[in-house]
Amino acid sequence: AQSVTQLGSHVSVSEGALVLLRCNYSSSVPPYLFWYVQYPNQGLQLLLKYTSAATLVKGINGFEAEFKKSETSFHLTKPSAHMSDAAEYFCAVSSGGTSYGKLTFGQGTILTVHP
Amino acid sequence: GAVVSQHPSRVICKSGTSVKIECRSLDFQATTMFWYRQFPKQSLMLMATSNEGSKATYEQGVEKDKFLINHASLTLSTLTVTSAHPEDSSFYICSANDNGGGETQYFGPGTRLLVL
Repeated sequence: AQSVTQLGSHVSVSEGALVLLRCNYSSSVPPYLFWYVQYPNQGLQLLLKYTSAATLVKGINGFEAEFKKSETSFHLTKPSAHMSDAAEYFCAVSSGGTSYGKLTFGQGTILTVHP
Repeated sequence: GAVVSQHPSRVICKSGTSVKIECRSLDFQATTMFWYRQFPKQSLMLMATSNEGSKATYEQGVEKDKFLINHASLTLSTLTVTSAHPEDSSFYICSANDNGGGETQYFGPGTRLLVL
């Protein structure tokens, strides 16, 4: 079984401030972890993914995430928020075996960036 | 690369009618595609796994006779909502695994279904 918990359904930051979106996961096998971004009425765009290589993963648009096994976390960060980062962000986990390819999503975090 | 399209992007239908949604992988082949449903202000819920050339695998609680899935080729999966009701109104999103790319799923832009 696998699950994802995103702490905070809404996060608000000022433009230029640090962005931190939290994600904790549960998986019975070594997981693959993903962060996706969704703009209104659109599909999901992959930001970055962890697939058991480097624990610090760099993605698009200046985002990065660090896999911490001891904390079962995969928090998403960006040093300096931009207005265009305002969107909804989803953390997701995928496991191997019979669940290969199936993604389980967190509840989502809406990021608001204000001037 | 790795582009997934959906058609239509938006559809309004009367209660009792059937609606077909197409999901295409434009520049890669996908043995496996996935269908998700997203209610307003909620996360994505996996409905079913679409397997090319075989029957789809449905998640618990999803009616297979209501949500018909056909994956006739390596680039096309279709979801048909049969005898639609207002409670079927939702945002339907498909995704596909690149056969050569392993675990990453690429998502379509979604289809907004409104049943009157």
